[in-house]
Amino acid sequence: SQQGEEDPQALSIQEGENATMNCSYKTSINNLQWYRQNSGRGLVHLILIRSNEREKHSGRLRVTLDTSKKSSSLLITASRAADTASYFCATVTLNTGANSKLTFGKGITLSVRP
Amino acid sequence: SQTIHQWPATLVQPVGSPLSLECTVEGTSNPNLYWYRQAAGRGLQLLFYSVGIGQISSEVPQNLSASRPQDRQFILSSKKLLLSDSGFYLCAWSDRWGIYEAFFGQGTRLTVV
Repeated sequence: SQQGEEDPQALSIQEGENATMNCSYKTSINNLQWYRQNSGRGLVHLILIRSNEREKHSGRLRVTLDTSKKSSSLLITASRAADTASYFCATVTLNTGANSKLTFGKGITLSVRP
Repeated sequence: SQTIHQWPATLVQPVGSPLSLECTVEGTSNPNLYWYRQAAGRGLQLLFYSVGIGQISSEVPQNLSASRPQDRQFILSSKKLLLSDSGFYLCAWSDRWGIYEAFFGQGTRLTVV
């Protein structure tokens, strides 16, 4: 079953605007990650935030994590047409014996209009 | 540096035929390995994950199986494909303890006809 749920499902913005995408999850996590997928390709890791962190930055990306609400947001500032892709949040839960698995949400389709 | 290879990139198979997709990882040892399926316009469904040779965990009941004959080799198989097995299959690896990011192959587009 999928752990994370992103919203909105689709987002269309103008180049230069900021894009905010949200993710909610159900169970306790070790960390939360955001990935990007260009059409028909594999996923590329963008950023990871641990459960004891509240905010993290990487270039034009800003991720927040609220463990009390079991939610995260990904902000892309000053969007570009090249940011057009699907974005997924993924959570890592630690199972017995410290083996973990990575489960993904359904993704958000971001379209950035030039 | 670590790399992951997944092949073939596309595959068209008739219903009832067998399937074998292979994934290999280079530049790391004892990785966690994953097979995901992505239906058109949908999210990623975790099919199998493996924490070591011969250790396979299945996430959903299905027509597929996975094997890990070597530390850095992960194989997805089926004895008889169904139409519903069509989709985009992705192999991935992560650090042994799985708390770091996952690295994905480029995927296999499987169409069962």
